[in-house]
Amino acid sequence: EAGVAQSPRYKIIEKRQSVAFWCNPISGHATLYWYQQILGQGPKLLIQFQNNGVVDDSQLPKDRFSAERLKGVDSTLKIQPAKLEDSAVYLCASSSTGTNYEQYFGPGTRLTVT
Amino acid sequence: KNEVEQSPQNLTAQEGEFITINCSYSVGISALHWLQQHPGGGIVSLFMLSSGKKKHGRLIATINIQEKHSSLHITASHPRDSAVYICAVRSSGNYQLIWGAGTKLIIKP
Repeated sequence: EAGVAQSPRYKIIEKRQSVAFWCNPISGHATLYWYQQILGQGPKLLIQFQNNGVVDDSQLPKDRFSAERLKGVDSTLKIQPAKLEDSAVYLCASSSTGTNYEQYFGPGTRLTVT
Repeated sequence: KNEVEQSPQNLTAQEGEFITINCSYSVGISALHWLQQHPGGGIVSLFMLSSGKKKHGRLIATINIQEKHSSLHITASHPRDSAVYICAVRSSGNYQLIWGAGTKLIIKP
């Protein structure tokens, strides 16, 4: 079974530039998550999708971050414009539907904003 | 105070030592996860448990629901065990995952 795929693995941009990350979840997984993990901290949930609908985006900085999952499969997370404090690892995870379900994580995208 | 607290934050040990990482939480949970994160960012789920004890190879995870505490043990530690170990709990209220800050483990040969 193929795992969660993410790209790019690394990205360096200047502040005020835009960046987009892509995630392909495990086939058949209805739920997709985007997390932000700042160095030395645990992951912070940015947004959770159930199929192509948003379940929770309460911690997504909506003035600069956006995410979509148009066909209920792949997802993109965009930052526009980036700030220095956005430097972090962005993790995508997916899970099947149901309580106490396990999340499977992608390798992450390490973003550095200079 | 964080809802999920891990200790220690950092742990350095010699190869072969028995390792214990602790996790305490303050919310009602439906499950607790232990995950491993290697340099580079990828996260792997090690255990998901809601009671008792689970074992996989040299890894053992225990949970005490009454005390709201879990431990992750590594027997016969090896340098390849070096990683960040993260405890996360699934809230029984809204089923969201609440993450600890992680324990950075370094095993020296």
